[in-house]
Amino acid sequence: NAGVMQNPRHLVRRRGQEARLRCSPMKGHSHVYWYRQLPEEGLKFMVYLQKENIIDESGMPKERFSAEFPKEGPSILRIQQVVRGDSAAYFCASSIGTASNEKLFFGSGTQLSVL
Amino acid sequence: AQSVAQPEDQVNVAEGNPLTVKCTYSVSGNPYLFWYVQYPNRGLQFLLKYITGDNLVKGSYGFEAEFNKSQTSFHLKKPSALVSDSALYFCAVSPISNFGNEKLTFGTGTRLTIIP
Repeated sequence: NAGVMQNPRHLVRRRGQEARLRCSPMKGHSHVYWYRQLPEEGLKFMVYLQKENIIDESGMPKERFSAEFPKEGPSILRIQQVVRGDSAAYFCASSIGTASNEKLFFGSGTQLSVL
Repeated sequence: AQSVAQPEDQVNVAEGNPLTVKCTYSVSGNPYLFWYVQYPNRGLQFLLKYITGDNLVKGSYGFEAEFNKSQTSFHLKKPSALVSDSALYFCAVSPISNFGNEKLTFGTGTRLTIIP
């Protein structure tokens, strides 16, 4: 059973380009979370999705950022017109559902570098 | 809003000695508390969690953590450190809600180095 798969591992973009980060949750998991880790900071919650639904996007910037988790295929975090401040490690996590005994399984992250 | 403080950026411990990584939290109501470990170029790995019940929680790799409600702390401990324990450790908190453990709030991390 493969873990949470994120790709690419490293992504380099120039200012103004688009970045697309992909996350395949663990088999059987229907809940996906995206977190961002800035240098020297902890992980910050961005968005929580279930299949075809955004449940909570309170941590997502209002502009340029969007996320989806389609019925088929991986979850996508999309950043339009990237700026240098978007450079960070983006982690995806998945869980089987929402219950007090759940834990999150994290991917290895995508390191986004904006030149 | 909830928050987590890990007051030490770096902790150095000699191999074989006991280790403690500190964590304090702030949350409305009762908390869910977690510890995760991050090895270089890897995602976070779950170590242990406190939901309810015994204040001393045992987790993976011989780690344990003690929930102290009066001090709002959840320090990570291990009786005898191994060199392989060297990694970045994150404490996290979530308020108890109908939605389980989403929106975990993480601390800034503590880099643990075990000295041979």
